[in-house]
Amino acid sequence: QLQLQESGPGLVKPSETLSLTCTVSGGSISSSYYYWGWIRQPPGKGLDWIGSIYYSGSTYYNPSLKSRVTISVDTSNNQFSLKLISVTAADTAVYYCANLNDAFDIWGQGTMVTVSS
Amino acid sequence: QSALTQPASVSGSPGQSITISCTGTSSDVGGYNYVSWYQQHPGKAPKLMIYDVSKRPSGVSNRFSGSKSGNTASLTISGLQAEDEADFYCCSYAGSSTWVFGGGTKLTVL
Repeated sequence: QLQLQESGPGLVKPSETLSLTCTVSGGSISSSYYYWGWIRQPPGKGLDWIGSIYYSGSTYYNPSLKSRVTISVDTSNNQFSLKLISVTAADTAVYYCANLNDAFDIWGQGTMVTVSS
Repeated sequence: QSALTQPASVSGSPGQSITISCTGTSSDVGGYNYVSWYQQHPGKAPKLMIYDVSKRPSGVSNRFSGSKSGNTASLTISGLQAEDEADFYCCSYAGSSTWVFGGGTKLTVL
């Protein structure tokens, strides 16, 4: 059974870089069946797709975040990562990682990231 | 890339059926059969309920069904139960390997 787990700092200062990692267990991140994605949810608001990556390293980003986002994959550790630069309070959210086939099938539990000085 | 439009809230009594709409454009909902629906209980991660417009993942009750007409997708829940009360989100492929979510609908079971 595929499982995903987000990890990273829960507090980031404004203008700094948010970095999160998603560890995949119960399956290989190099599977040709899946893409892997990041989704976020600001407090009390809806879901927002951040971006996706294929195991080969091909990346796809939400146009509204594209200038600040980098998603990368580490096949040796079965992980993929999110970096968001120049964060502001508007980036405060629960960040989820998920596997993506025709839909976001399996989700991590989510990790709350607060942007504050 | 604009968010898909969902009603903010819907409600129904136990045993009734409700439908949640999700309106997009020909560039997303209307252009692809990759519409999915997610149920989210408070403090929990979203759970996939419907994918490819109308397919149910293993383990999801057949009380949940999906459909699409033009630029609008719909989720129908029949035989409403108390545990169905949650937020529901639609999501659509939007071309060029991008995805867009709806704003979410709060379902209240009266």
